[in-house]
Amino acid sequence: DAGITQSPRYKITETGRQVTLMCHQTWSHSYMFWYRQDLGHGLRLIYYSAAADITDKGEVPDGYVVSRSKTENFPLTLESATRSQTSVYFCASSDSQGHYSSGYTFGSGTRLTVV
Amino acid sequence: GIQVEQSPPDLILQEGANSTLRCNFSDSVNNLQWFHQNPWGQLINLFYIPSGTKQNGRLSATTVATERYSLLYISSSQTTDSGVYFCANQAGTALIFGKGTTLSVS
Repeated sequence: DAGITQSPRYKITETGRQVTLMCHQTWSHSYMFWYRQDLGHGLRLIYYSAAADITDKGEVPDGYVVSRSKTENFPLTLESATRSQTSVYFCASSDSQGHYSSGYTFGSGTRLTVV
Repeated sequence: GIQVEQSPPDLILQEGANSTLRCNFSDSVNNLQWFHQNPWGQLINLFYIPSGTKQNGRLSATTVATERYSLLYISSSQTTDSGVYFCANQAGTALIFGKGTTLSVS
């Protein structure tokens, strides 16, 4: 199916464990983004990528690692999960920086709970 | 950094009513977008509207970039309009989101 898919939809992990959230898009969009959504904070940017092998930090990058070896995939890794990283994580993609004719498209989100 | 303020924070409507949601920006408007997050959490792009007015069915949006604000109009609201509405402004490469307006239609 065309679109942007995130996996898993739900994840419970223990403090200190490494966990990876997956994001896959089929449009060959150049730009991909990871946001987290928390009550009282709205959506905050964690990391983004302008192209394969190009990534940069957003507003709240600490404790997260990203990679983008292929255009279509943009995994987000929590190296050592903490309870403060309990959140809903959204991946998004867009076709270009200067002309968002279709805007961002978001995945369905991953609800992560760290216990 | 860029601030995006949305008002009102909460809105309760009866079916059939009209509403206006507002978004103010502390900096210039760049690639402004409106999103709807439905009760299941899915984020849907409603409008890409850096300036001017666009309409899509019962929804329309207007951005006045020179005055740094955007409005989202919902006419003849339906229960399916419930959820959270976000506006977002571009800062550098990524979008900066407001905290949203929570709309409940009953």
